[in-house]
Amino acid sequence: NAGVTQTPKFQVLKTGQSMTLQCAQDMNHEYMSWYRQDPGMGLRLIHYSVGAGITDQGEVPNGYNVSRSTTEDFPLRLLSAAPSQTSVYFCASSYSAGRSYEQYFGPGTRLTVT
Amino acid sequence: DAKTTQPNSMESNEEEPVHLPCNHSTISGTDYIHWYRQLPSQGPEYVIHGLTSNVNNRMASLAIAEDRKSSTLILHRATLRDAAVYYCILRDVNSGGSNYKLTFGKGTLLTVNP
Repeated sequence: NAGVTQTPKFQVLKTGQSMTLQCAQDMNHEYMSWYRQDPGMGLRLIHYSVGAGITDQGEVPNGYNVSRSTTEDFPLRLLSAAPSQTSVYFCASSYSAGRSYEQYFGPGTRLTVT
Repeated sequence: DAKTTQPNSMESNEEEPVHLPCNHSTISGTDYIHWYRQLPSQGPEYVIHGLTSNVNNRMASLAIAEDRKSSTLILHRATLRDAAVYYCILRDVNSGGSNYKLTFGKGTLLTVNP
C-alpha cells in the first residue's frame, strides 16, 4: 500500500491565484481530513469527510473548499490564495465508527503565498 | 474537547528510557488517550493509544493512571530517530462526525543526545 499520498510537495502561489491540493489513500478508509500547520503550532482541522459525498467544516474552513466524490480522493481547493494561507498542509485518513482507529497522515504540502 | 497538558520540551540520552508525561484532568469516561509524534519535516505518525489499561506495542508503552487523569508515554530505549514532537490527544469515540478529528496542542519536543 502507498498509504496517504499528497501532491504537490511544494507550491508557490501569488495572492489571488487558485489551486487544488491533491490527497489520495489506498486503504479503503472512510474518514479523511485536511489539517494545516503553521510554524511552531500544532495542526488545525480545515475540513473532513466521513465518506464519499459527505463533507463538513473543521476549525478553520474559510478560504477552502473540499469535495469527496470517491472513497480514495479528497482534494482541497484554495479559492483565492492569501498570504495567511502560507502553511504546511497535511491530509489524513482512518477507518471510522465505533472504535478508536489511528489516523494515517500524508507527507504534507508546503504552500507559500506571496 | 477535554484538554491535555504536556511539557514544552524534554531531553534524553541515546539508549536510555524516556518518560513523556501528559495531564488530562478533565478526561471523560469515553475519551481514549492517543499519542502521535511528528518527526522533522514529516506528517504526524500514530504511536499508541489506550482507554484504561496500560498498553504496549513495538514502538512504545502507555501507562495510564488509575484515575485516568494522567498518562505517560514510555520509550524504552531512545534512539536519535525518536527525536520528534510528541502529542498527547484525547478522542471521544462515541460520537461521530467531528469527533474523528484530532485536536493537536503544541506537544513535547523531545531531543535525544548521542
